[in-house]
Amino acid sequence: DTGVSQDPRHKITKRGQNVTFRCDPISEHNRLYWYRQTLGQGPEFLTYFQNEAQLEKSRLLSDRFSAERPKGSFSTLEIQRTEQGDSAMYLCASSLSLAGEDEQFFGPGTRLTVL
Amino acid sequence: AQSATQLGSHVSVSEGALVLLRCNYSSSVPPYLFWYVQYPNQGLQLLLKYTSAATLVKGINGFEAEFKKSETSFHLTKPSAHMSDAAEYFCAVRPSGGYNKLIFGAGTRLAVHP
Repeated sequence: DTGVSQDPRHKITKRGQNVTFRCDPISEHNRLYWYRQTLGQGPEFLTYFQNEAQLEKSRLLSDRFSAERPKGSFSTLEIQRTEQGDSAMYLCASSLSLAGEDEQFFGPGTRLTVL
Repeated sequence: AQSATQLGSHVSVSEGALVLLRCNYSSSVPPYLFWYVQYPNQGLQLLLKYTSAATLVKGINGFEAEFKKSETSFHLTKPSAHMSDAAEYFCAVRPSGGYNKLIFGAGTRLAVHP
């Protein structure tokens, strides 16, 4: 395992459809993060898992968004009833918690286009 | 609320010239500070980080940054730009304590011309 992987890399969908993205973190990493990046902006935090527990959710994560990390390994991010405003790059990152601080390693992202 | 503000959305330099990308932070407690680089169609890669040790931080690819508390700044520099440095650069702040989410600036696109 050489890094964080995300699938798919690109997704085009029609407004109103549901989509699901997958993130596979670096194998020994216990922390996992989802961010959203729109064109011309920096990534914005969406949610954070430590092992299988979802410990923080941003106000950006509306009721249409849900994230899981069922066994503390891979994670999924689902968007229901997609809207054009959901078009963005969805980034996943993982880290290994150590005393003090840890480094987040990012995946290549999933680019979502909602038509 | 914590924030990172990057001054200048686009910076253009000549190959061999000094690179200076500016970042100012806002945090009520001493933060951890990061610089990431993003190449097209790739994820973010960590360049360097400040975690309250030395104020001058050296990173990969010849980049360094200096933490200046009095100016609330964490500017990124490189003495001599290379064509391969062309990318988008993001400054990020992570408040000490609490969970580890990163708060990113809007990014600065660096162009390097011959």
